[in-house]
Amino acid sequence: KAGVTQTPRYLIKTRGQQVTLSCSPISGHRSVSWYQQTPGQGLQFLFEYFSETQRNKGNFPGRFSGRQFSNSRSEMNVSTLELGDSALYLCASSLRTGNVNTEAFFGQGTRLTVV
Amino acid sequence: AQTVTQSQPEMSVQEAETVTLSCTYDTSENNYYLFWYKQPPSRQMILVIRQEAYKQQNATENRFSVNFQKAAKSFSLKISDSQLGDTAMYFCASKNSGGSNYKLTFGKGTLLTVNP
Repeated sequence: KAGVTQTPRYLIKTRGQQVTLSCSPISGHRSVSWYQQTPGQGLQFLFEYFSETQRNKGNFPGRFSGRQFSNSRSEMNVSTLELGDSALYLCASSLRTGNVNTEAFFGQGTRLTVV
Repeated sequence: AQTVTQSQPEMSVQEAETVTLSCTYDTSENNYYLFWYKQPPSRQMILVIRQEAYKQQNATENRFSVNFQKAAKSFSLKISDSQLGDTAMYFCASKNSGGSNYKLTFGKGTLLTVNP
């Protein structure tokens, strides 16, 4: 069974640009969550998507957005990039039943560097 | 809101020895889950062990076991017979099991180095 796949693995962008990251969850998993990992702030929850709808959102500015497709694949978009957006972005998929999420399985992340 | 605290930024242990990583948490929920995740240099977050708060018995997975003290809100990870492949960042995390159980709250992590 394939795991969670994130693409690309590495990205270098210039301040002010926008970026789109992709996450393919484990087959059958319909919940996808995104986390930002930085040395200073650690791991912080960005948002969760389930059945193509954003169900929950962390404390991030509106420049951070996402979407989920009918096949449960998810994309995360960051507009008007800032230097502080440099981070490892992790995607996690879960088998959600009703309001209950099972344990999260993570991808290898996308390392975004903003210069 | 939940908080998770790992007070040991770095630890080291000799191969084959035992090491314990500390974690304390705070939550107002009655039902929740606790996890230890491992993040090796490959960056992938790997689930090591999980504990349901309503279960008094400590979880065990092969060489990994936890000491769950619910009243003290403590959740330490013991690694027995440490191996070189155990070298990684270890994160303690919590998650509600109720209606707002969508996210994991992580500690800052402990960098564990296993020395040959």
